[in-house]
Amino acid sequence: DAGVTQSPTHLIKTRGQQVTLRCSPKSGHDTVSWYQQALGQGPQFIFQYYEEEERQRGNFPDRFSGHQFPNYSSELNVNALLLGDSALYLCASSLAGIRQAYEQFFGPGTRLTVL
Amino acid sequence: GEDVEQSLFLSVREGDSSVINCTYTDSSSTYLYWYKQEPGAGLQLLTYIFSNMDMKQDQRLTVLLNKKDKHLSLRIADTQTGDSAIYFCAESITGNQFYFGTGTSLTVIP
Repeated sequence: DAGVTQSPTHLIKTRGQQVTLRCSPKSGHDTVSWYQQALGQGPQFIFQYYEEEERQRGNFPDRFSGHQFPNYSSELNVNALLLGDSALYLCASSLAGIRQAYEQFFGPGTRLTVL
Repeated sequence: GEDVEQSLFLSVREGDSSVINCTYTDSSSTYLYWYKQEPGAGLQLLTYIFSNMDMKQDQRLTVLLNKKDKHLSLRIADTQTGDSAIYFCAESITGNQFYFGTGTSLTVIP
């Protein structure tokens, strides 16, 4: 049973560029959440996707956008990159429902470095 | 539900018990979690507790919840070197958005 997978593993971009990160949820899961983890910090919630719609959003600017596909996989897009966007980006998947929604399983993350 | 605090570091000897503490501010929190993160890796869900529970035990792990003081702890019995990692406490009201602490770095001394 495949867990949450993310690609790429590492990425280096320069300021002003755009980046797309990808996530495939755990088999059987239909909900994907994205988190940003800066060095030495805990993960910060960016947004969550369910049924191809953004269901909830954290305190992140509009430069951060996402998409969920019919197969439940998801993309995170960041435009006009800033140095401060350098972080580990984590994807988490869960199954919508009363109990299962509370179990979020995380992928290994994508390390983004902005120069 | 945005303030979750943890102490930054904890060091214990192999075989001893470790206790990692966490405080949170949102009394509406429904679920509280403990995650483990090893270097260069994602977060591994260790255990979670419902807000209507006081204690949960799972093998070497014991979670204690004091709702009055908004205090959560994770006890690891018989700590091993493989337990060395960063441990994150997290809370959630709806199950959609999780709020994480800054993490406690546990070092196990052989």
